[in-house]
Amino acid sequence: DAKTTQPTSMDCAEGRAANLPCNHSTISGNEYVYWYRQIHSQGPQYIIHGLKNNETNEMASLIITEDRKSSTLILPHATLRDTAVYYCIVRVPSRSQGNLIFGKGTKLSVKP
Amino acid sequence: DAGVIQSPRHEVTEMGQEVTLRCKPISGHNSLFWYRQTMMRGLELLIYFNNNVPIDDSGMPEDRFSAKMPNASFSTLKIQPSEPRDSAVYFCASAGGDSSYEQYFGPGTRLTVT
Repeated sequence: DAKTTQPTSMDCAEGRAANLPCNHSTISGNEYVYWYRQIHSQGPQYIIHGLKNNETNEMASLIITEDRKSSTLILPHATLRDTAVYYCIVRVPSRSQGNLIFGKGTKLSVKP
Repeated sequence: DAGVIQSPRHEVTEMGQEVTLRCKPISGHNSLFWYRQTMMRGLELLIYFNNNVPIDDSGMPEDRFSAKMPNASFSTLKIQPSEPRDSAVYFCASAGGDSSYEQYFGPGTRLTVT
């Protein structure tokens, strides 16, 4: 499985866009990029995933570089409730292998 | 949709006692996961079921831990006997469809073993 590298922490002003980077330079062709977050004292929450095209849903946008060696999760208008640890995970979707490997993630602090 | 339901939310027990954690996955999901989270080790997978069958239990720390899924709507994680080092937050997650990586987590059970 491709290893991911994320900054330990980031700050963002409320109402501004939060851009969270993730490096996955050893990603293989069939591996997807998944993003989860964990708000304090809650279970992890699925945000978005993608293979090579940019993706957008009601929570966030995912921008994957053309060479797929890095990606950025964008929260367009961050709120205080977006303060959480954000995890970037790279895996091949498979019914026989279910484990998500959570690293240390990026602790995002949204400040008023 | 009620989401993944876990009970109890908090459990305090003495070393040596049996502990049973319960999980109800999202209706229609065919995969269920048990994770454990501690400050030292982060979030780690303990066991994974697909269609009620255990697929990967390599994360179960030792024989004191056991998990069952008797039907599609219920799973248990049992620790017998419990030890202080088992203190952690235990999460259950479920997933449906072709990808097991869009997992939906429950609120967790905070276990304290004294």
